[in-house]
Amino acid sequence: GAGVSQSPSNKVTEKGKDVELRCDPISGHTALYWYRQRLGQGLEFLIYFQGNSAPDKSGLPSDRFSAERTGESVSTLTIQRTQQEDSAVYLCASSHRLAGGPHEQFFGPGTRLTVL
Amino acid sequence: KNQVEQSPQSLIILEGKNCTLQCNYTVSPFSNLRWYKQDTGRGPVSLTIMTFSENTKSNGRYTATLDADTKQSSLHITASQLSDSASYICVVSSLSGGYNKLIFGAGTRLAVHP
Repeated sequence: GAGVSQSPSNKVTEKGKDVELRCDPISGHTALYWYRQRLGQGLEFLIYFQGNSAPDKSGLPSDRFSAERTGESVSTLTIQRTQQEDSAVYLCASSHRLAGGPHEQFFGPGTRLTVL
Repeated sequence: KNQVEQSPQSLIILEGKNCTLQCNYTVSPFSNLRWYKQDTGRGPVSLTIMTFSENTKSNGRYTATLDADTKQSSLHITASQLSDSASYICVVSSLSGGYNKLIFGAGTRLAVHP
């Protein structure tokens, strides 16, 4: 595929259930980011993977949130015991890290999560 | 505290008119500044990326400026079109400890009316 893909595009779940969101980055991109965007608000950084380095988890809002990435491929964001406040669009982005220079992020279409 | 503030929060203009969106930041260390366009229901799309040494960059009808001394940036849209209706997001990158952390502004919501 030419771009970042995410699945599912929409997810409706009941409060207390676990959900898993998937991101397929652009092939060859070593960096992968997860963001959350609540309705009408700006993007909120969640977690950043860079190659085999330890991820930057500083944006995860609680221990109910976790993410994994194997190598430079697919990443999954897991939200356990979902709450209504978790309702948002979850965006994934990938970029090709160039040493010392800026690197453009390419965003996926997002997964819209609704917790009832 | 690293912050990116954008103004105005929202803007309505008539088709064909120009407009300028503002971005002020307090991010250190500074790596680069980006402007993104986000259509409703879509992911953001990059418009421009500027490093410390660049003070202007254009992408078609979009022109971004950067004043690293005053920590201000602007995005100027010329001859607006209906398709310019979107949110415009200013993002400042801070490269620290090998991580490229991006700090996002809340965006300016632009509506172009016929």
